[in-house]
Amino acid sequence: GQQVMQIPQYQHVQEGEDFTTYCNSSTTLSNIQWYKQRPGGHPVFLIQLVKSGEVKKQKRLTFQFGEAKKNSSLHITATQTTDVGTYFCAGGRGSNYKLTFGKGTLLTVNP
Amino acid sequence: NAGVTQTPKFQVLKTGQSMTLQCAQDMNHEYMSWYRQDPGMGLRLIHYSVGAGITDQGEVPNGYNVSRSTTEDFPLRLLSAAPSQTSVYFCASSYAREWDNEQFFGPGTRLTVL
Repeated sequence: GQQVMQIPQYQHVQEGEDFTTYCNSSTTLSNIQWYKQRPGGHPVFLIQLVKSGEVKKQKRLTFQFGEAKKNSSLHITATQTTDVGTYFCAGGRGSNYKLTFGKGTLLTVNP
Repeated sequence: NAGVTQTPKFQVLKTGQSMTLQCAQDMNHEYMSWYRQDPGMGLRLIHYSVGAGITDQGEVPNGYNVSRSTTEDFPLRLLSAAPSQTSVYFCASSYAREWDNEQFFGPGTRLTVL
């Protein structure tokens, strides 16, 4: 079945450093979504990308969807302590609305 | 709007017991799903539904049953609890639109099976 691999599993940064997490699918995706989960919380939707090569920005966060629609990345510029959490990508395929989640990247930020 | 609600927040079961995790949403979403989250494993899909009366299996369905008699409710039943089912369970809902299916998650149920 469809697999979504996410790297790295963990990332520790100093406040102010940049951070990137990568997501790769074994199959072509129709869309990809990104979620953030704070410790002890539930996943919260960040963004959805649907077009090949799409780039979207949300303040310090930049999201990219690869040309082949099989990979994606989330980049955070100048991390802050409020960025702490686990970031998940989730790939969608076709019209059955199912999402396959990556295992997530846990980001910790040292103030 | 309350969004997605789940009860209970915490539950301890003994092996072999059965129970139902409740999930409700008030956003008129067609699509609802159940995930379990275990350390280092991400979110794994258990069952999902694209509308009342329609359910299907996800990645890890064994040991769980679901039904969808109304648009709002999507309960998850553990038939005979096992320690391997110790996990955090999240219910989620969304519109059934391929290009606009942001998942709204409930707060989760932390289940321990002894």
